[in-house]
Amino acid sequence: QKEVEQNSGPLSVPEGAIASLNCTYSDRVSQSFFWYRQYSGKSPELIMSIYSNGDKEDGRFTAQLNKASQYVSLLIRDSQPSDSATYLCAVMIRAGRRALTFGSGTRLQVQP
Amino acid sequence: ETGVTQTPRHLVMGMTNKKSLKCEQHLGHNAMYWYKQSAKKPLELMFVYSLEERVENNSVPSRFSPECPNSSHLFLHLHTLQPEDSALYLCASSQDLMAGGRQETQYFGPGTRLLVL
Repeated sequence: QKEVEQNSGPLSVPEGAIASLNCTYSDRVSQSFFWYRQYSGKSPELIMSIYSNGDKEDGRFTAQLNKASQYVSLLIRDSQPSDSATYLCAVMIRAGRRALTFGSGTRLQVQP
Repeated sequence: ETGVTQTPRHLVMGMTNKKSLKCEQHLGHNAMYWYKQSAKKPLELMFVYSLEERVENNSVPSRFSPECPNSSHLFLHLHTLQPEDSALYLCASSQDLMAGGRQETQYFGPGTRLLVL
């Protein structure tokens, strides 16, 4: 089992719709979770971080964390074509690692 | 200049060349990282430095040699690379290492696109 798993996509949604991106992780004691956005040929940029169970909202973005289910998600409301990118889930895996572990990313396509 | 910078942005080298990648962070962070990103693969952690001390070497071949002379600068020295080493090399920094919460948030530089011929 991969430590951080994401569906590679592409996830295609129409402009204005809600895009839902999901991520599962293997380490039960993980405490810090991050979503990064990466445009093609560019470096990852931080969108949101979440540390406790529940929802965290920032503008059009909502991160949701469920530690019991080892599941973290990112919702993008009112999706725009400019949101088309690869979204990387990153988890601070505590066991034997001192840096973030990244999923392989989900490619999102927002259709105009 | 702000954030994390990397030079060069693009590099083409032969297998017998020696080159170095440079990273500089202007955020006052204590931890710095090198990652490799190959096409259609997840980000691979290569090295981690905390307060100029290497704390993790993630089974990276010896043809990659990191150097961290101070907490603001990180280098990756390259020699006798192979074509499969062609990738995007990303530098990142965070406030601290394993400190919990916001201090673990990593900020990335723009990357160096490396092509080994």
